[in-house]
Amino acid sequence: QVQLQESGPGLVKPSETLSLTCAVSGYSISSGDHWGWIRQPPGKGPVWIGSIYHSGSTYYNPSLKSRVTISVDTSKNQFSLNLNSVTAADTAVYYCARVSGTAAGTYTHFDYWGQGTLVTVSS
Amino acid sequence: DIQMTQSPSTLSASVGDRVTMTCRASQSVSRWLAWYQQKPGKAPKLLIYDASSLESGVPSRFSGSASGTEFTLTISSLQPDDFATYYCQQYNTFSWTFGQGTKVEIK
Repeated sequence: QVQLQESGPGLVKPSETLSLTCAVSGYSISSGDHWGWIRQPPGKGPVWIGSIYHSGSTYYNPSLKSRVTISVDTSKNQFSLNLNSVTAADTAVYYCARVSGTAAGTYTHFDYWGQGTLVTVSS
Repeated sequence: DIQMTQSPSTLSASVGDRVTMTCRASQSVSRWLAWYQQKPGKAPKLLIYDASSLESGVPSRFSGSASGTEFTLTISSLQPDDFATYYCQQYNTFSWTFGQGTKVEIK
């Protein structure tokens, strides 16, 4: 059974960098698939932040691209999110998820999710 | 960017009702449309992928269909466990976008 677990600080100060890690168990990141970060502001719908392939290729939401870095550590079977220059608008529950698909080379939907971690941006 | 518009934003229904909600894409997304169910304090749960394929373990009362850029999620007979918020999500060329959700409330 694939399991994902987010970890990182629950409180970040404005202008600083938000850093989260997603540990994957029950499945090897090196086996393939994309791995993604999604956030959900309070009372709103989910927003895709970015995704990474096991090889390290990354894809980012254009609205966040200038501030986001996603990386993968296959030796630890985990991937990470860095979001810099945060403001109160970045307060949200952050989820990591596996991106899966049925057609060769396509990764179209998120089938396994972490439980989510609330990150609050406040001084 | 492709925008996803869900309607209605809130739906009031009773146990046993047939419930239908819609998601419209701003441009073609082929069949790459998924539906998720989310309950308060929980992560979204995948229900339907590729517009009409039922995820393993999801009850057969859930079904999805597509017509052009309009996608529909139907619950054939609403159960108490189905009161939740439902989100659609599209994929197009390494970009993923969610709708704003339809909340299914008890009538």
